[in-house]
Amino acid sequence: DTGVSQDPRHKITKRGQNVTFRCDPISEHNRLYWYRQTLGQGPEFLTYFQNEAQLEKSRLLSDRFSAERPKGSFSTLEIQRTEQGDSAMYLCASSLGAGTANTEAFFGQGTRLTVV
Amino acid sequence: AQSVSQHNHHVILSEAASLELGCNYSYGGTVNLFWYVQYPGQHLQLLLKYFSGDPLVKGIKGFEAEFIKSKFSFNLRKPSVQWSDTAEYFCAVKGNTPLVFGKGTRLSVIA
Repeated sequence: DTGVSQDPRHKITKRGQNVTFRCDPISEHNRLYWYRQTLGQGPEFLTYFQNEAQLEKSRLLSDRFSAERPKGSFSTLEIQRTEQGDSAMYLCASSLGAGTANTEAFFGQGTRLTVV
Repeated sequence: AQSVSQHNHHVILSEAASLELGCNYSYGGTVNLFWYVQYPGQHLQLLLKYFSGDPLVKGIKGFEAEFIKSKFSFNLRKPSVQWSDTAEYFCAVKGNTPLVFGKGTRLSVIA
C-alpha cells in the first residue's frame, strides 16, 4: 500500500500521559498535514509542513501539542499531559507542492485517541 | 478566513432517489473546491475536485458537482443513489490556507 500510513490506529491512554503518533506520507509528497476530527464534525486543521519546515499552526494546537517532520519524510505528533478533551481521531494527509494543480490531499486512516 | 457550510446534517434517501447536498463557502479569492467521502470505518477519499475551467465537474461513482461562483456554492449531486453510497460527505475549500472542511452530511440510503 503506497498511501498515507498512520500508526497506531487506536490509542487508549490515561489522562496526564503523553502520547505520540506517527504519519508516513506518500513518498513523493512534500506537504504533510495534521487534522483532528471529533464526532459529528469535519476535520479541523492543526498544522502542516512543507518538507521539514512547519509552515502553519492552528490556534487549536495548544502548547501541549508538538509536531515534527525532521527529515521531511515521516512526521510525529506528540500530545503532552493528555486531557479528556483530546479524545478524537487524528488524521494525517499529504500532497504535492504549492501549485494549484497539486493541492489534492490524500488522507490516512487516522489514529483514534481515547483519553480515560 | 475561509469557512464552509454544509446545509444538511443527515439525509435519508431511498435507493434510486436523486441526491443533492448543499455546500457554501466564504472566501473572496481564488479557491479550489473538493468533496470527500468517508465510508463507514474507512479513511477520507476524494470524490471530485474543482480547480478551474468547466464549473461542472464529474467525479467517481457517478457523482458531480457544480461550482456557482456568484453563489459561493459547490453542491454535490447524483441522479440515482445506491445503498453503497451510505457514507459521510465533506465539502472542503482551499484558498490561501490548507483545506478547510465543512461539518459533513451523513447520507443514509435505504432499500
